Amino acid sequence: EIVLTQSPATLSLSPGERATLSCRASQSVSIYLAWYQQKPGQAPRLLIYDASNRATGIPARFSGSGSGTDFTLTISSLEPEDFAVFYCQQRSNWPYTFGQGTKLEIK
Amino acid sequence: EVQLLESGGGLVQPGGSLRLSCAASGFTFSGYAMSWVRQAPGKGLEWVSAINTGGSTFYADSVKGRFTISRDNSKNTLYLQVSSLRAEDTAVYYCAKSIIAMGILDYWGQGTLVTVSS
Repeated sequence: EIVLTQSPATLSLSPGERATLSCRASQSVSIYLAWYQQKPGQAPRLLIYDASNRATGIPARFSGSGSGTDFTLTISSLEPEDFAVFYCQQRSNWPYTFGQGTKLEIK
Repeated sequence: EVQLLESGGGLVQPGGSLRLSCAASGFTFSGYAMSWVRQAPGKGLEWVSAINTGGSTFYADSVKGRFTISRDNSKNTLYLQVSSLRAEDTAVYYCAKSIIAMGILDYWGQGTLVTVSS
């Protein structure tokens, strides 16, 4: 099973700042990595798939990069509604797995 | 508009069973792989099971032999039969639709809570 490790566990930033979230895989997942955002009491929402493709309706301030084992989700300028928990997820090998999450909180 | 509506959750004793359902609308159900993902209270996400358009099924090791995923394309409905339930199966169970490939989930339901307790 591929283990995804996200860092940091918690990120405290202010609106308008740039957020950089990391995800490292225990073995190569090529580009087959996605990012999801989850707010309290809500289902996850797909942000990025295959490392760098924004899902439908996702604002351009969200971008993804990386390949192999190291991936990054960047939010260029934080809006108040962006604060949530973010999960990475690989689809390279079954079982598909999620990272443990990064909580992005308001500083 | 894509909608996924889960039902069937509830309180069940250890060793018990439930059948979860997910009613889909707003897209051609038979044309997409579907999955169940769960989230224990206060914890992260776990991909439980998936079924592709051809009916092939996939299970996490933690549920293999106890859970069965199926789909009825005539009813636009996804199912998860959960059996031999354990306390660690307590979670919100989400139904989700795949975007193209099976492993990308673009639409999610709001979830149904399964609580395993005596």
